[in-house]
Amino acid sequence: NAGVMQNPRHLVRRRGQEARLRCSPMKGHSHVYWYRQLPEEGLKFMVYLQKENIIDESGMPKERFSAEFPKEGPSILRIQQVVRGDSAAYFCASSPTGTGLDIEQFFGPGTRLTVL
Amino acid sequence: GNSVTQMEGPVTLSEEAFLTINCTYTATGYPSLFWYVQYPGEGLQLLLKATKADDKGSNKGFEATYRKETTSFHLEKGSVQVSDSAVYFCALDTNAGKSTFGDGTTLTVKP
Repeated sequence: NAGVMQNPRHLVRRRGQEARLRCSPMKGHSHVYWYRQLPEEGLKFMVYLQKENIIDESGMPKERFSAEFPKEGPSILRIQQVVRGDSAAYFCASSPTGTGLDIEQFFGPGTRLTVL
Repeated sequence: GNSVTQMEGPVTLSEEAFLTINCTYTATGYPSLFWYVQYPGEGLQLLLKATKADDKGSNKGFEATYRKETTSFHLEKGSVQVSDSAVYFCALDTNAGKSTFGDGTTLTVKP
């Protein structure tokens, strides 16, 4: 059973460009979470999605950032008009369900975004 | 809101030394508690977890006990190895579908 897959692993963008980060959850998992890790910091929750639904986007910046998890295909985190402060590692996690105290989130290897 | 406070690093130990990484939390409700490990250039891997008070999570020689009275979940290992060098994150989940992480503690074990 393949783990959570993220691509690309490394992404370089110039200021003002768009960044698209992809996440394929583990087989059988229908819940996806995106986190951002700034240098020397912990992970900060961004958004929680189920298939075709955004459950919680309380950690998403109000502008330029959006996320989706379509019925078919990977989850996409999209950052428009990137700025240098967006440089970070973006991690995706998935779980089979979204409730229950025993739910484990399985993390992908991350996408490291560098904005020049 | 929820928060996790971890012992600041970096921590440097000699092989076979005893390890403690402190973690305390603030949460509404009754959270599950987790320790994750991150090796260089990789994502997070779950190390151990505990879902209720007085539970002890253990894995690969690491242990942590869920202490509700002190709101703590300290990570311990009796004898560390060079291969344990990594960043360790304490986290909690209050059944809301998102986890709250500490800032991480970098452990370096020297031969």
